[in-house]
Amino acid sequence: DAMVIQNPRYQVTQFGKPVTLSCSQTLNHNVMYWYQQKSSQAPKLLFHYYDKDFNNEADTPDNFQSRRPNTSFCFLDIRSPGLGDAAMYLCATRKSLGDGYEQYFGPGTRLTVT
Amino acid sequence: KNQVEQSPQSLIILEGKNCTLQCNYTVSPFSNLRWYKQDTGRGPVSLTIMTFSENTKSNGRYTATLDADTKQSSLHITASQLSDSASYICVVSVFSGNTPLVFGKGTRLSVIA
Repeated sequence: DAMVIQNPRYQVTQFGKPVTLSCSQTLNHNVMYWYQQKSSQAPKLLFHYYDKDFNNEADTPDNFQSRRPNTSFCFLDIRSPGLGDAAMYLCATRKSLGDGYEQYFGPGTRLTVT
Repeated sequence: KNQVEQSPQSLIILEGKNCTLQCNYTVSPFSNLRWYKQDTGRGPVSLTIMTFSENTKSNGRYTATLDADTKQSSLHITASQLSDSASYICVVSVFSGNTPLVFGKGTRLSVIA
């Protein structure tokens, strides 16, 4: 089945230790998003790729970086995780920018920082 | 400022009962409105999507309404089941180049036996 896959589902890292979260999709969608969702809050967009064009949200900390080596994969790198970075990280894809196209979300990666 | 407000924050109902969740938005220019269901520890899953010209959309036991004049939407759940326990998120899409999404904080629904 076509889908958005995130690995790992649960990640524990130490304060300051770099961590990478991965997202893959079999939908062949042009657009991929990374969101951060903290408990009882709405997802917050960190950045998105339209093909290889990277778009960073203005308030996304420099601590967060992303890579998209090909259409199918996108990575979220947190260079020096702090306790405040503990959250659910959601990857989403979309066929194209423009009105009416659905965003499909992955199951998320729950990040714990100790 | 583009905002989406949802009420109530949380709701507990008995299995088999109906319920209605509310969403008010101040998003301009408006493109479309979606309701998502998010199970605990999972990603959101789309339930319905409505454009400006649509005022009702059903998906099984879920019925969404949209009043574009008052900028209000509701999600009605009929004959609730235990599996309906989840967060329901109202999301409005802005009509612009990359159509960003504005998320509500969600309503946490608990269905109990």
